[in-house]
Parts: sequence; C-alpha cells; structure tokens
Amino acid sequence: QVQLQESGPGRVRPSETLSLTCSVSGYSINNGFYWSWLRQSPGKGLELIGSIYHNGKSYYNPSLKSRVTLSMDTSKNQFSLKLRSVTAADTAMYYCARPRGGSPHYYFDPWGPGTLVTVSS
Amino acid sequence: DIQLTQSPPSLSASVGDRVTITCRASQDITNYVAWYQHKAGEVPKLLIYATSTLHSGVPSRFSGSGSGTVFTLTISSLRSEDFATYFCQQYNTAPPPFGPGTKVEMK
Repeated sequence: QVQLQESGPGRVRPSETLSLTCSVSGYSINNGFYWSWLRQSPGKGLELIGSIYHNGKSYYNPSLKSRVTLSMDTSKNQFSLKLRSVTAADTAMYYCARPRGGSPHYYFDPWGPGTLVTVSS
Repeated sequence: DIQLTQSPPSLSASVGDRVTITCRASQDITNYVAWYQHKAGEVPKLLIYATSTLHSGVPSRFSGSGSGTVFTLTISSLRSEDFATYFCQQYNTAPPPFGPGTKVEMK
C-alpha cells in the first residue's frame, strides 16, 4: 500500500523559500509514475502546483512556474518542492499525491495528509 | 481556463438520506471527472474517476454520473462515516481544476 507523508517548516517568512519534502513508502518512486504537489489556500479550491516524473521530467502550473522547482531523491524515496519569494497568498495546506491516469488526464490517489504552511514574519 | 462550481456549498442530512451533489464545468470536459472525500485532519480519498468508475474499496452506496458539463455524486443511503467534504476535479486539461467542495453535515 502506497503511503505519502509531507514534512517541512510550518512557518516561512515573506520573500523566503518554502521547502517541503514528501516521503513515499510502499513503492519505489524510481519505478515510475509522476509525483505531485497540490495546495489549498484558505477559502479557495485545490490547486495543482506541479508534478515530477522519475526521470526528472516535470510539469508546472503556469501560474506558479516562475517560482517553483520540484526535485526527486530516489535514494531516500522522496520528492521535494521549493517555492521561492513567498507571500501571504502562499499560506495554504500543502499536499503531495500520486497522479493516476495518462497524460494529460490525471486524477490523484493516494494523497498525503497535508501540512499547513503559514507565511508570516 | 475551465472553472468548476459545486452545489450546494453545504447541506444538512440524516443517516439514511439520499444525497446528491452537483459539479458544473464552464465547458465540456467529456467524462474526465473525479470525486474525492475529505474529512478534516485526514487524507483526501479518491471515490470515483472517469465520471462513474468506483475506486477500489469504495462502498457501492457512492455513485457518479453525468456528461459534458454537469456531473453528480450520489450517496444512496448516508452513513455516519460519510459526513465530510466532497469535491470534484476535472482532468480533461492541465492544470486540472478542482471544485470548491460541498460539506455534508449532520442534520
């Protein structure tokens, strides 16, 4: 059974970089699949941040592309998110998840439980 | 960009009730619709994909239907463990938008 768990700081200062890691158990991320980050800001719907494939190929939401970098550490079976120059608008619950389906038609299963990140000084 | 709306935003229901949630898209999304259940503090769970295909392990009281721009999630007989927020997602295009959610509360 594949399980995902997000980790990282719960608070980030404005203009700094938000860094989160998703640890995957029950499946080797090196064996395939895209792996994704999503977020839900207060009062807003969910938003895909981006997805990364085991060979490093990635997709970024155009609305965030200029500030986002996804990476993978196959030795640790983890993938990571970096979001630069954060503002209060980046305060959200951040989720990692595995996309299912076929390009570009992806839904998500399973998900991690999410981690709340607050941007404030 | 495709926008999704859900109705109602929230509803109050009793155990045993039939519950229907509607997801509307701003343009045709064929059958690329998924539904999720999310309870506070828990992992979001996939219920249905491809409009009407039940995900493995999901009880048969959940069903999905629709086409084009209007899709529904139905719970045929609500159980206590079904009180949660439900949201739809279209995956006809990237990035895939999500609906704002419908909160199902106990009456």
